[in-house]
Amino acid sequence: EAGVVQSPRYKIIEKKQPVAFWCNPISGHNTLYWYLQNLGQGPELLIRYENEEAVDDSQLPKDRFSAERLKGVDSTLKIQPAELGDSAVYLCASSLDHGDEQFFGPGTRLTVL
Amino acid sequence: GENVEQHPSTLSVQEGDSAVIKCTYSDSASNYFPWYKQELGKRPQLIIDIRSNVGEKKDQRIAVTLNKTAKHFSLHITETQPEDSAVYFCAASGGSNYKLTFGKGTLLTVNP
Repeated sequence: EAGVVQSPRYKIIEKKQPVAFWCNPISGHNTLYWYLQNLGQGPELLIRYENEEAVDDSQLPKDRFSAERLKGVDSTLKIQPAELGDSAVYLCASSLDHGDEQFFGPGTRLTVL
Repeated sequence: GENVEQHPSTLSVQEGDSAVIKCTYSDSASNYFPWYKQELGKRPQLIIDIRSNVGEKKDQRIAVTLNKTAKHFSLHITETQPEDSAVYFCAASGGSNYKLTFGKGTLLTVNP
């Protein structure tokens, strides 16, 4: 069974540029999460989807971050414009349903210059 | 919201020794407590979890204990091996929003 897939694995951009990350969850998993992981820290939730509905986006900086999961399967996280402080690893995770074990993808390491 | 404190931040042990990592949480409604292992540059992987209806769970060399009254839970690794070296994260979730809140991690180094 394929795990959570993310792309790209690495991205280097200049500040003020836009960037997008893609995630494909484990087949059949209804719940999808985007996390931010800064160096030396634990993951922090940005947004949680139940199917195509964003049910918890309280931690998403909505002035520059947006996300979508249009068909309730794969998802895209976008930053526009990127700032230096956005440099981090962006992790996607999925679970069968909320409250179930979360499986993480390999992450996208973003460097903003 | 939930706050999870994790100690120690670094832990160095000799191969074969035991390692213990402790976490406390603030929200008494939390009822799910997973532990993740993250090797350098890799994804976090669940190694064990416990729900609030049990006090202890064991899987081979790994065990987790939960004290709901004191709001703390611990990870115990026995007979440590060099391949156990990694960063370990505790987390807690529960209540109405199912949000998983992570601790800051413990860097475990097992010396051969």
